[in-house]
Amino acid sequence: KAGVTQTPRYLIKTRGQQVTLSCSPISGHRSVSWYQQTPGQGLQFLFEYFSETQRNKGNFPGRFSGRQFSNSRSEMNVSTLELGDSALYLCASSLEPPRALNTGELFFGEGSRLTVL
Amino acid sequence: AQTVTQSQPEMSVQEAETVTLSCTYDTSESDYYLFWYKQPPSRQMILVIRQEAYKQQNATENRFSVNFQKAAKSFSLKISDSQLGDAAMYFCAYSQAGTALIFGKGTTLSVSS
Repeated sequence: KAGVTQTPRYLIKTRGQQVTLSCSPISGHRSVSWYQQTPGQGLQFLFEYFSETQRNKGNFPGRFSGRQFSNSRSEMNVSTLELGDSALYLCASSLEPPRALNTGELFFGEGSRLTVL
Repeated sequence: AQTVTQSQPEMSVQEAETVTLSCTYDTSESDYYLFWYKQPPSRQMILVIRQEAYKQQNATENRFSVNFQKAAKSFSLKISDSQLGDAAMYFCAYSQAGTALIFGKGTTLSVSS
């Protein structure tokens, strides 16, 4: 069974540009969550999608957005990139929204490493 | 708001020895879940162990076990018979119904032979 796939794995952008990251969850998983990982702040929750609907949102500015498609694949977009957006962006999937099963177990991808110059 | 604190940025252990990673959390809820996730240098995070707050018995998964002290809001991870493959960053995490996982800032564990 294939794991969570994130593309691209690495990318370099300049300030002011925008970026789109993609996440394909494990087959059968309908919930996708996104996290930003930085050395200073650790793992911070961005948003969670289930059945194409955003169910939860973290405390990030509106420049960060996401969506989920009918096949459960998800994309996140960051517009008007800033230096501080340099981070590892992790996607995680689960069978149901964590709230439903109350297990909270997430299956993570290897992440997309974004560098903003 | 719930918070998770890992006070040990780095820990080291020798092969075959035992090491304990600390985690404390803050919540006013009585029903929640706690987790330890492992992130090896390849970066893919995997679940190590899970504890339901309503269970008094500490969770165990092979060489990994937890010491869950609900009143003290403490959730430490003990790794017995440490192996080189245990070297990774370990994250403590908290969740409850209706919220996303909240992670601590992690503890980097190094294992020496």
